[in-house]
Amino acid sequence: GAGVSQSPSNKVTEKGKDVELRCDPISGHTALYWYRQSLGQGLEFLIYFQGNSAPDKSGLPSDRFSAERTGGSVSTLTIQRTQQEDSAVYLCASSLEETAGNTIYFGEGSWLTVV
Amino acid sequence: AQTVTQSQPEMSVQEAETVTLSCTYDTSESDYYLFWYKQPPSRQMILVIRQEAYKQQNATENRFSVNFQKAAKSFSLKISDSQLGDAAMYFCAYRSYYSPGGYQKVTFGTGTKLQVIP
Repeated sequence: GAGVSQSPSNKVTEKGKDVELRCDPISGHTALYWYRQSLGQGLEFLIYFQGNSAPDKSGLPSDRFSAERTGGSVSTLTIQRTQQEDSAVYLCASSLEETAGNTIYFGEGSWLTVV
Repeated sequence: AQTVTQSQPEMSVQEAETVTLSCTYDTSESDYYLFWYKQPPSRQMILVIRQEAYKQQNATENRFSVNFQKAAKSFSLKISDSQLGDAAMYFCAYRSYYSPGGYQKVTFGTGTKLQVIP
């Protein structure tokens, strides 16, 4: 696609429910990142994929969070048993390859509200 | 670990005027990249400008330029001839140059909200 696509754009869920957030990176981009942006905060790194493998999961805040990537393309971030503190914008980004100077392109994010 | 600090939560500028957004960072590394990203209300982060630490010359992109002071660990963004479309959140970010054994994550500041007054 032309840019990084994320869905849903907005999601309201009840506390305790599971949610899935989807990211479709730019075609051909091997590196994929998930970040979380809470109100008034910067971007918090969650996980990085190179191809289908995740060499860095250090940012996942708890075992309720998991992510996978299939076919070197689409990625899904899953939050189980959601809590109110999970409310945030979840941003996905991709880059052509994992090189420090490469531009990272972001999607518009998925705004999650847990009520 | 690297940290990025943006001490101005909000700034405002008159249309056509110039504004400077501040950013400081802390690192023990000598080689790295610094970035300014813009996040408009649409939420999509857009790269504004990039600076390689080994380059002494300040990066410029049209109306956007940086003042990179490596010794002071300062990386400010200057927006000249401000336009209404410049209104957004601006994030300063840091990334290591080398990634031995793997990936180097990008560290972001908390952002500065820029308002442009007509």
